[in-house]
Amino acid sequence: DIVLTQSPGTLSLSPGERATLSCRASQTLSGTSLAWYQQHPGQAPRLLIHGASSRATGIPDRFSGSASGTDFTLTISRLEPEDFAMYYCQQYDTSPRTFGQGTKVEIK
Amino acid sequence: QVQLVQSGAEVKKPGASVKVSCKASGYTFSNYYVHWVRQAPRQGPEWMGMINSSGGNTIYAQKFQGRLTVTRDTSTSTVYMELTSLRSDDTAVYYCARDKGVKDAFDIWGQGTMVTVS
Repeated sequence: DIVLTQSPGTLSLSPGERATLSCRASQTLSGTSLAWYQQHPGQAPRLLIHGASSRATGIPDRFSGSASGTDFTLTISRLEPEDFAMYYCQQYDTSPRTFGQGTKVEIK
Repeated sequence: QVQLVQSGAEVKKPGASVKVSCKASGYTFSNYYVHWVRQAPRQGPEWMGMINSSGGNTIYAQKFQGRLTVTRDTSTSTVYMELTSLRSDDTAVYYCARDKGVKDAFDIWGQGTMVTVS
């Protein structure tokens, strides 16, 4: 199974600051079969980024994704109050479709 | 609008089975796959398995082989997830989610169904 390792576990930032979240895959993904999801407490995950760098429908352009080999990055350029949440990466290159353990972005 | 609506919360005893439904609307059911993902308290999501809504073929995570059955009813655009021999560590929120099947992300999720095994 492909293991996804997210870092850091928690990111403490203030509104308006830049957030950089990392996700490392245990092996190369063919193509760019990686997604990022946002999850607020008590809600289902919401797709933010697919194909490592393509924003899903309706996602603001302050969210961006990038890839370099087995390293993937989600960047939130300027944090809005609604951006404080859990973020998960997921690979959909092979089954099982594994998720990372998550990064919590909290208000400092 | 496009949505997946799941059945309500369940409380089950150890050793019992649970069957959760996921009704699709607002899109052509047969054009998408439906997956089941669970999330235990304070844990990350865990993929369980998937079904091709058109052909009905399934793929399950090895961890759930023998305990998990995913089926669909095309007449009602509903997918079902049945998990047997429940244990306390099966307590989780269970989500259905859709994708186009071949290397695609989950763009629509159900609201989740809490299953408590106690």
